[in-house]
Amino acid sequence: DQQVKQNSPSLSVQEGRISILNCDYTNSMFDYFLWYKKYPAEGPTFLISISSIKDKNEDGRFTVFLNKSAKHLSLHIVPSQPGDSAVYFCAAYRLSSGTYKYIFGTGTRLKVLA
Amino acid sequence: GAGVSQSPSNKVTEKGKDVELRCDPISGHTALYWYRQSLGQGLEFLIYFQGNSAPDKSGLPSDRFSAERTGGSVSTLTIQRTQQEDSAVYLCASSLLPGQGAYFGPGTRLLVL
Repeated sequence: DQQVKQNSPSLSVQEGRISILNCDYTNSMFDYFLWYKKYPAEGPTFLISISSIKDKNEDGRFTVFLNKSAKHLSLHIVPSQPGDSAVYFCAAYRLSSGTYKYIFGTGTRLKVLA
Repeated sequence: GAGVSQSPSNKVTEKGKDVELRCDPISGHTALYWYRQSLGQGLEFLIYFQGNSAPDKSGLPSDRFSAERTGGSVSTLTIQRTQQEDSAVYLCASSLLPGQGAYFGPGTRLLVL
C-alpha cells in the first residue's frame, strides 16, 4: 500500500519558468511532510518541510503548499535553474506513531532545460 | 567533512555471503535511520535508532537483516546470507532530533551476484 504517491515519474521545464512537483498521500494522520532532492550517486538532500497545521512554507526559490482536504502537497520552484535538475522525493511521517520513519514517494525526475 | 559518511561506497558480494555496512552520522545527531533504494524504486525504510536503541525495526525485510548502534554514534547494518534481491543502494541518515529533516549519506551500493 503506497501511502505517499508521486504520479509523475518525470517533468521537463524551461529555465526561468516555474517547476511544480506534486505528491498525494492517503494517510490523514501524517504530521509532517518533507521534500528531498537527489542527484545521481549522491544521497538525498533535504530541501523543505511543512507541518500539517500549515498550508504554505517558503524558502527562497522553493515553496511547498499543503492541501489537507485533498491530501495533496506540491513543491514550486521559481525560477527553475539547470542545477535544479534532479530526482525529487516527497516524504511524510507521523509524530504520534512512536517512530519517525519517513514514508517516501517514488520520486519525480525534474529536467530543467537551458 | 561534517556530513554523514558511509562505507564502503560500493560492495560486490556473492550470494550467501554476509556483508556489513557502516554509517558515521553527523556528530551530535541522536536520530539515525537506514533506508534502501532498489533499482527504479523509492526509498524504503529499514530501521530507526534513537540513541543506541531501535524503537522501530519494522522495515527490516527479514531476520537476515540486523543493525546496531554504539555510543550513540556509529551504526552498522549487517545482512547475513545475502540474496540477489538484497542488491540496492543502502542509505543512512541522521538528524539532531527525531522528526527533523534528516541528512543522508552518499549510500553504499550493494550488488549480490
